[in-house]
Order: sequence, then C-alpha cells, then structure tokens
Amino acid sequence: EAQVTQNPRYLITVTGKKLTVTCSQNMNHEYMSWYRQDPGLGLRQIYYSMNVEVTDKGDVPEGYKVSRKEKRNFPLILESPSPNQTSLYFCASSPGRQASYNEQFFGPGTRLTVL
Amino acid sequence: GENVEQHPSTLSVQEGDSAVIKCTYSDSASNYFPWYKQELGKRPQLIIDIRSNVGEKKDQRIAVTLNKTAKHFSLHITETQPEDSAVYFCAALTSGTYKYIFGTGTRLKVLA
Repeated sequence: EAQVTQNPRYLITVTGKKLTVTCSQNMNHEYMSWYRQDPGLGLRQIYYSMNVEVTDKGDVPEGYKVSRKEKRNFPLILESPSPNQTSLYFCASSPGRQASYNEQFFGPGTRLTVL
Repeated sequence: GENVEQHPSTLSVQEGDSAVIKCTYSDSASNYFPWYKQELGKRPQLIIDIRSNVGEKKDQRIAVTLNKTAKHFSLHITETQPEDSAVYFCAALTSGTYKYIFGTGTRLKVLA
C-alpha cells in the first residue's frame, strides 16, 4: 500500500531532551516536507527537500533540523525541544521533479507535547 | 514575507446550499494553488488544485477560480452535503522555491 508513515504518533517529552520524528514514504517520491499545525495558524512548513541531500528552510525552521540521506526517509530532529514546539506535526511527500504541480500526500501526524 | 490570507474562518451553510471560501496571496509570482480538506482527527487531503495559467477548474461539485490580477483564488462547493463538513486549507507555492504557504483554514459546517 502506497503511504507516508510517521513515528511516533504521540510523544510527550520534557524540555531539552533531544528527539527525532521519523517519516518514510514508499512511493519513490522526490519531494518531502514537514509541517506543524497549530490552532488558528493553519499548516506551516518547517523544512522541505527536493531530493536526496537537498534540503531547504520553510516558513518556521527555527529549532528544527532535518536530513535526507535516503530518498524514502526524511526525519525531523528537535535538538533541544521547548514548550512552544508542542504541536501536531505532519510529514508529506509528492512525486517527480515538478514538485510544484503534484499532490502532496500527508502522513497520519505526530502529536508532540513538550513539558 | 509571503502570506496567504483565508476567509472566513468559520462558515455554516444549510445542506444543499453553496459554500465559498476565499484566499488572497501576497507573492505575485506564486504559480500553484492547491486546496486541502481535513476531517476531524485526520490528515489533510488534496481536493482540487489550479495552476497560474488557468482561470477556473471544476471537479463535480467543487470548483476553484483564480484571479491573478487581484491575487486571489476561491473554492466553490455546490450542493453541499453533511460529509463536506471539515476544515479547508488553501495554499500557494512560492515561485523560485518549492516552499508552500498555507492559509489559516476555514471550518465548514453543513447543517442537515
């Protein structure tokens, strides 16, 4: 089944404890992206990647890191999480080099709480 | 920076009526405008999209219109049904990058 998976789905952690949220897609998509969703603010793009070893900042990259060592995986890293990073996180992917014209497929989401 | 404004934030309509959601973007070079539907507790899913070289696109009860001069685009849902109740997000792709800017969402309630 073609899909985008994220793990974990739920995470409660404490300030300053490094964490990684994994994202994987099995559709051979070139474009991958991370978003956070907060009430009243909609979806905001954190980072995106056009292909392996190519990543760029989205609208709200501060406090996050990403890597794209393999085409299928795009992990989101919070080196020192803070309470303002409590949010619902979505990973998404879309096919082909013409990423601007392709549907993004979203993962199921990761609800993160930082105490 | 780039911005997408979306209105209204909430919209209630009677079943069978039409619903219209409007978005305005700031980057005049934006060239791709998708609309996503997000049901409660679910992930966003694309329902329709439009490119900057097209003025209107329809898919059954859903249509999107684009006015490049005014820098706004709208989602039109006709003959609304209870299953149309959800949060709808517009987005714009900034030209020269592959960065998406989303609107803040519209919660649509279709009253039976």
